Amino acid sequence: GAGVSQSPSNKVTEKGKDVELRCDPISGHTALYWYRQSLGQGLEFLIYFQGNSAPDKSGLPSDRFSAERTGGSVSTLTIQRTQQEDSAVYLCASSQRQGRDVFGPSTIYFGEGSWLTVV
Amino acid sequence: QKEVEQNSGPLSVPEGAIASLNCTYSDRGSQSFFWYRQYSGKSPELIMSIYSNGDKEDGRFTAQLNKASQYVSLLIRDSQPSDSATYLCAVDTGNQFYFGTGTSLTVIP
Repeated sequence: GAGVSQSPSNKVTEKGKDVELRCDPISGHTALYWYRQSLGQGLEFLIYFQGNSAPDKSGLPSDRFSAERTGGSVSTLTIQRTQQEDSAVYLCASSQRQGRDVFGPSTIYFGEGSWLTVV
Repeated sequence: QKEVEQNSGPLSVPEGAIASLNCTYSDRGSQSFFWYRQYSGKSPELIMSIYSNGDKEDGRFTAQLNKASQYVSLLIRDSQPSDSATYLCAVDTGNQFYFGTGTSLTVIP
């Protein structure tokens, strides 16, 4: 697609329910990132994919959070047994590749985010 | 030590003035450097990238990179109220992108 697409754009869920957030990266982008941003705060790194593998899962806050990527394209971030502190905007981003190679540097582009509210 | 550090501000400048935003990074092997602008309630959007030492100009924006000092800055000339936003510095170390916490800029009409 033309840009990074995320769905749903807004989600209100009850505490204890599971939610799935979807990210469709820019076509051809092999690297995909998930970040979380609470109101008025900076970006919190969650996980990064290169292709279908996740070399860095260090940012996932707890075992309630998981993510997968299939076909080197779409990624799903799943939050189980949601808590009120999970309320935030979840941002997905993609880049053509991770790091610099013979073609030059890569740039990261963000989707519009999925706004999650846990009540 | 954080990978990328920015002064959180807030920074206020009058309309028409030059706004100067600064960022330092810790990994000397860092390869690429970016400035993103984030309006309230919106996602970050790329405004500048810089890869080599020196200055890079794009309209009213100038990015400056000094790898020896591990320092990158963004200058906004003739600041406009529409420039009021949070500016995020990002660094690609080759292994991972790191973002600063952002500097909040307010341009006062």
